[in-house]
Amino acid sequence: DGGITQSPKYLFRKEGQNVTLSCEQNLNHDAMYWYRQDPGQGLRLIYYSQIVNDFQKGDIAEGYSVSREKKESFPLTVTSAQKNPTAFYLCASGRGYEQYFGPGTRLTVT
Amino acid sequence: EDKVVQSPLSLVVHEGDTVTLNCSYEVTNFRSLLWYKQEKKAPTFLFMLTSSGIEKKSGRLSSILDKKELFSILNITATQTGDSAVYLCAVDCLEYGGSQGNLIFGKGTKLSVKP
Repeated sequence: DGGITQSPKYLFRKEGQNVTLSCEQNLNHDAMYWYRQDPGQGLRLIYYSQIVNDFQKGDIAEGYSVSREKKESFPLTVTSAQKNPTAFYLCASGRGYEQYFGPGTRLTVT
Repeated sequence: EDKVVQSPLSLVVHEGDTVTLNCSYEVTNFRSLLWYKQEKKAPTFLFMLTSSGIEKKSGRLSSILDKKELFSILNITATQTGDSAVYLCAVDCLEYGGSQGNLIFGKGTKLSVKP
């Protein structure tokens, strides 16, 4: 089946640890995106990549890092520098104006 | 600063009612407006609007864009409990160096449909 997968679904980490969230797509999309969603908030763009080996910062990139070594994969690392990492993280890939979202990862940092 | 504002933030109706969700925007270099439905986790795409006055329809859902007044509405007729969700409005614009598909989202409208 074509789609976007994110893993894990739930993730718990201690403060001060880096954590990497996985995002894989088999839709053959060039563009991929990472969003963060907090309660009562809309989606906010963290990073995006229009093509392999290239990515740009979104609105809230501080404390995050990404890589795009393969077209299918766009992992997001939440570093210890991110002050409020607990959130719901959504990965998306797109063709043109449409974006298709993965199921999300809920990260809790204590 | 580019922004997208949705209203109301939450809405409770009964099955069979008709609802109208609002989305207004202030962005530079507008390209399109999109509506998403978010139930449990990931948003699902509903409509993309690029031209004023042309209604998009899908079953009981319809949407229209007014580029002069900078807003869009999403209508749902004969609501059902399965329509309960958060409806997100997003605007695609050219702020990010001309790249495609970078969206600014509103906070969403939480719709609850009671039986």
